[in-house]
Amino acid sequence: GALVYQYPRRTICKSGTSMRMECQAVGFQATSVAWYRQSPQKTFELIALSTVNSAIKYEQNFTQEKFPISHPNLSFSSMTVLNAYLEDRGLYLCGARTKNTLYFGAGTRLSVL
Amino acid sequence: GDSVTQTEGLVTLTEGLPVMLNCTYQSTYSPFLFWYVQHLNEAPKLLLKSFTDNKRPEHQGFHATLHKSSSSFHLQKSSAQLSDSALYYCALSDHNNAGAKLTFGGGTRLTVRP
Repeated sequence: GALVYQYPRRTICKSGTSMRMECQAVGFQATSVAWYRQSPQKTFELIALSTVNSAIKYEQNFTQEKFPISHPNLSFSSMTVLNAYLEDRGLYLCGARTKNTLYFGAGTRLSVL
Repeated sequence: GDSVTQTEGLVTLTEGLPVMLNCTYQSTYSPFLFWYVQHLNEAPKLLLKSFTDNKRPEHQGFHATLHKSSSSFHLQKSSAQLSDSALYYCALSDHNNAGAKLTFGGGTRLTVRP
């Protein structure tokens, strides 16, 4: 399967601060990148879907002001969680799409103190 | 809107017995269906995906058949192994988003005992 690299794997930030996470598709070009959050209860929430040369589409309850995303080319995307609070905790997954299939990175686990 | 239902939250069985995890869906159009497996402290990994030509996808002994008449994509394996213990998610995407925007089921935690 396709390889997707996410960095960092784990991060802890103080309440009210921000942190940036990165996603790299290795060895293939991702036509789209989807950012998800998996809650501690293991449910998935789609944050946004980003397609190169198209506007990033945010899902309800998620905004660009809170989760700005950069997707400069077909192999790299980054997302920042601004002003993180307890409810932002979880595993942030980057999914890179190729051949009509989404491949996930290992995720960035965010803890907020 | 689209939805995916996995009726069993927890499935426990003995090594060597057959596995069947249920997945049904609702979608306006003919979607792509996927099974992802998530082991402890790891990210979800693609296990299977449906084909458009009615082929039955297989991987690591698992297989699933897309039945449009019953809107189902149940996951099956003839003999469970201890290493199959994990969370299993059924997911769909419509053809417009073609694998990018996934709707996940609630997940089924499979525990295989010796």
